[in-house]
Amino acid sequence: NAGVMQNPRHLVRRRGQEARLRCSPMKGHSHVYWYRQLPEEGLKFMVYLQKENIIDESGMPKERFSAEFPKEGPSILRIQQVVRGDSAAYFCASSEGLSYEQYFGPGTRLTVT
Amino acid sequence: TQLLEQSPQFLSIQEGENLTVYCNSSSVFSSLQWYRQEPGEGPVLLVTVVTGGEVKKLKRLTFQFGDARKDSSLHITAAQPGDTGLYLCDGALNFGKGTSLLVTP
Repeated sequence: NAGVMQNPRHLVRRRGQEARLRCSPMKGHSHVYWYRQLPEEGLKFMVYLQKENIIDESGMPKERFSAEFPKEGPSILRIQQVVRGDSAAYFCASSEGLSYEQYFGPGTRLTVT
Repeated sequence: TQLLEQSPQFLSIQEGENLTVYCNSSSVFSSLQWYRQEPGEGPVLLVTVVTGGEVKKLKRLTFQFGDARKDSSLHITAAQPGDTGLYLCDGALNFGKGTSLLVTP
């Protein structure tokens, strides 16, 4: 069984560009979570989605960030007009149902120049 | 937000030593998860503790959930270099900052 897949693994964007991060959950998992990790701050929850629904976006910045999990295809975390402060590792996790036991992908490391 | 405090922040020990790391909160959790993260990778789930006072063992790792379900500990017996990593506790999607463990041969 393939685990959680994220791509790209590394992404470089210039200030003002858009970043799109993709996450394919484990087979059979319908719940997806996005986190951001910075060395000084730890792993921070951003958003929790089920297919076609955002369940909890309490950790998502109000501007420039959006997430979706369509009926078909991967979950997408989109960051518009990136700034240097967006540089971080972004992790996606999935679970079979409503569960705090999550399976993480390898992450996307975003660098904004 | 329910805060989870992990201690110590850093720990460097030699192979064969025992160690305990802690995860504390003032909030009650229905469950706590422990993960290990290696550099450049995502966290890997180790265990879930659910019942107050529960003890779970995973080879040389022993996890305990506090009676009041506010805290948890992880004890490693005879640490090995392969135990090196960042140990994270998680309650209700809130992660502690982790304990960074280095085990040297």
